[in-house]
Amino acid sequence: DTEVTQTPKHLVMGMTNKKSLKCEQHMGHRAMYWYKQKAKKPPELMFVYSYEKLSINESVPSRFSPECPNSSLLNLHLHALQPEDSALYLCASSQAGQETQYFGPGTRLLVL
Amino acid sequence: AQSVTQLGSHVSVSEGALVLLRCNYSSSVPPYLFWYVQYPNQGLQLLLKYTTGATLVKGINGFEAEFKKSETSFHLTKPSAHMSDAAEYFCAVSGGGGKLIFGQGTELSVKP
Repeated sequence: DTEVTQTPKHLVMGMTNKKSLKCEQHMGHRAMYWYKQKAKKPPELMFVYSYEKLSINESVPSRFSPECPNSSLLNLHLHALQPEDSALYLCASSQAGQETQYFGPGTRLLVL
Repeated sequence: AQSVTQLGSHVSVSEGALVLLRCNYSSSVPPYLFWYVQYPNQGLQLLLKYTTGATLVKGINGFEAEFKKSETSFHLTKPSAHMSDAAEYFCAVSGGGGKLIFGQGTELSVKP
């Protein structure tokens, strides 16, 4: 089973709202990733968690706050977003130290 | 530093024709190479990967790719295109620390 699940599938939020994106995997992977993808562009890495610890933060604005409550779950908390943050947010997971990443279906976010 | 160049942002083929999507990479270390496919409004699906060993790699849906070190290439091929192959294709190289470095993507169109 190489499934990564993400909820919600779609999200519309205002600039003053607080929302969270959720990602889950049950493959025993110990590395999890958040990416942002704009239309017709490759995914851009935002955060990497390895063994539930934040290992990479690609200079992402603080209005994005990641959380890894356990080895299967990854959250992305959103607050005071801007319209330019509208994008597809992808979660991925991999064995720790392995580059083969498995992606979820994404959450399509629209910020009004 | 690692980088990926995908030649052609858009490729159009007729149904039943050969599919060839080009990818060249730059890497200071022996690379791990990947092809992902993204259908509209979906996440990325791993098509195939090269890590070590056999340079001709077979993937899902009839795709294959050949690692050519002398040409720093990892082109993706399929002998006979199907309408369902229409999608965005991303080539990626391992960037170290679990990172993937993506190319800009190639949109494949299949004409009936």
